[in-house]
Amino acid sequence: AQTVTQSQPEMSVQEAETVTLSCTYDTSESDYYLFWYKQPPSRQMILVIRQEAYKQQNATENRFSVNFQKAAKSFSLKISDSQLGDAAMYFCAYRSAFGNEKLTFGTGTRLTIIP
Amino acid sequence: DAGVIQSPRHEVTEMGQEVTLRCKPISGHDYLFWYRQTMMRGLELLIYFNNNVPIDDSGMPEDRFSAKMPNASFSTLKIQPSEPRDSAVYFCASSLTSGGAYEQYFGPGTRLTVT
Repeated sequence: AQTVTQSQPEMSVQEAETVTLSCTYDTSESDYYLFWYKQPPSRQMILVIRQEAYKQQNATENRFSVNFQKAAKSFSLKISDSQLGDAAMYFCAYRSAFGNEKLTFGTGTRLTIIP
Repeated sequence: DAGVIQSPRHEVTEMGQEVTLRCKPISGHDYLFWYRQTMMRGLELLIYFNNNVPIDDSGMPEDRFSAKMPNASFSTLKIQPSEPRDSAVYFCASSLTSGGAYEQYFGPGTRLTVT
């Protein structure tokens, strides 16, 4: 079974600075998808960014980018120019490309933005 | 689009009572997922449907839990009888398969408290 590990329960960053959230996963599959979801206090789960394992190029979405290291099974999220609205729980998630549609989530990292 | 709709947003009930949570997926989506979020276990998949048919219910904790999807626009998750350990936030999500890293869209969740 696949597992997703987020080793940082909490992180904080000064507004306008850059922060990196870590995620590692364990799988024996060769193809899969990785996601970062954001959960603000409203508890709505919002997709931040996604990465296909077969793509070597790291995904980017505006201020959000990932560092995908397939051999190391690492998928970190970098947030540049942090804003107060980025304060939330961030969850890393894995989904197989071989038929099982479930998302397997990490335990989350709570990000605090310091004004 | 209105997004995934869940009702009720909050539910408080007494132990032993029946609880029914409801979900309306995004129109046209062919996958529907039920997740549960607790402090102890994080986010975990309970069951998912494809074209109204249950595909994987291995995450359903026990026989007290049941889920149905009578048509493409409605699903229920029922707990009977409820217990205090069922207290959690229950999320419904839907997705449209498009052959890749398609997104699961989450509803706002139902916070269930069983006293």
